[in-house]
Amino acid sequence: EAGVTQFPSHSVIEKGQTVTLRCDPISGHDNLYWYRRVMGKEIKFLLHFVKESKQDESGMPNNRFLAERTGGTYSTLKVQPAELEDSGVYFCASSQGTGTAYEQYFGPGTRLTVT
Amino acid sequence: RKEVEQDPGPFNVPEGATVAFNCTYSNSASQSFFWYRQDCRKEPKLLMSVYSSGNEDGRFTAQLNRASQYISLLIRDSKLSDSATYLCVVRKGGANNLFFGTGTRLTVIP
Repeated sequence: EAGVTQFPSHSVIEKGQTVTLRCDPISGHDNLYWYRRVMGKEIKFLLHFVKESKQDESGMPNNRFLAERTGGTYSTLKVQPAELEDSGVYFCASSQGTGTAYEQYFGPGTRLTVT
Repeated sequence: RKEVEQDPGPFNVPEGATVAFNCTYSNSASQSFFWYRQDCRKEPKLLMSVYSSGNEDGRFTAQLNRASQYISLLIRDSKLSDSATYLCVVRKGGANNLFFGTGTRLTVIP
């Protein structure tokens, strides 16, 4: 079974540009999460989808970040316009359900560098 | 204050050694506890959940002390393949998102 996949693996953009990250969860997983790790800090939660609905977006840093999951399958995270402090690794995770019994499986991440 | 605090290390230990990692969490409402393992430039992967009674999986033993809000991971008979960053992770009751520590880096030396 394929794991969580993310595209691109790396992205280097200039400040002020737009970048869109994509996440394909494990097939059949209704729950999709975005996390990010900025340099030197811990991995932090951004938001959680259940199917196509945003269940919790309390971790989204500001309105320059827009996450979508149309159709409840893959998700995109758009940063517009990008700022230097947005540099980091963006991880996507998915789970079949919620709660302790359901493991969150992480993708390999997208390394974003804003110059 | 951070939700989860860990000693970043690094811990450099010889093969066969026993090594212990600790972490503390700040929110008493935390309900679920985990250790994840992350290899360099890879995704975090669940190593084991941590239960109140403590649990063991082969060479790995996890302990939870709710009163002290303290979690530990013990690795016995370290292998070269254990070299990685170990992330302490908690989940609050009623929430689904995970809170991560910054991780503790372990290097097992031949």
